[in-house]
Amino acid sequence: DVKVTQSSRYLVKRTGEKVFLECVQDMDHENMFWYRQDPGLGLRLIYFSYDVKMKEKGDIPEGYSVSREKKERFSLILESASTNQTSMYLCASSLVFATSTSVQPQHFGDGTRLSIL
Amino acid sequence: KQEVTQIPAALSVPEGENLVLNCSFTDSAIYNLQWFRQDPGKGLTSLLLIQSSQREQTSGRLNASLDKSSGRSTLYIAASQPGDSATYLCAVYPDSWGKLQFGAGTQVVVTP
Repeated sequence: DVKVTQSSRYLVKRTGEKVFLECVQDMDHENMFWYRQDPGLGLRLIYFSYDVKMKEKGDIPEGYSVSREKKERFSLILESASTNQTSMYLCASSLVFATSTSVQPQHFGDGTRLSIL
Repeated sequence: KQEVTQIPAALSVPEGENLVLNCSFTDSAIYNLQWFRQDPGKGLTSLLLIQSSQREQTSGRLNASLDKSSGRSTLYIAASQPGDSATYLCAVYPDSWGKLQFGAGTQVVVTP
């Protein structure tokens, strides 16, 4: 079974702090993703990475950056945390292989509930 | 830009009734569609994945249909139980990158 592990289930930080959220997968997946989830808005894609050191912006990248130095690890960085970044953050991974009609399913971690005070 | 809509936002049914959850998407050029379940404060559990070439998928009491041309998917849960109470999320894979575009979810309560 695919295992996607997020380092913290709950995290409390202060405004202005630099915050790191870590995600590790154990299935040699090329793709990794970061989403945030807010009530009424569903999950929205922040960043994704399709290979080591490669990254692409998602729908809401402002205020965030990412790092992927090793294939199994994808970090989300809040450069200067603000209260509007209080949210549930979910990491996912998938294989990159795709056909003309299908892509590989994503596998999700349990999420990190981040509170910025 | 692809948009995914789930109606209703919330649903309450008595135990034993069949559940029907709706999902619509604006661009029919999708790769896969996936239904997830989420319990309060928890991560996502994948329920069913339908490839774009398929019309439906079944697993136990769950059945999901896909009509790409009309931009719709329906999740049926037969003979609902209180343990089915959760939020159900519909998501599409809009391109070959493998990204997901989510609906906002339907919150389901099954009363004993």
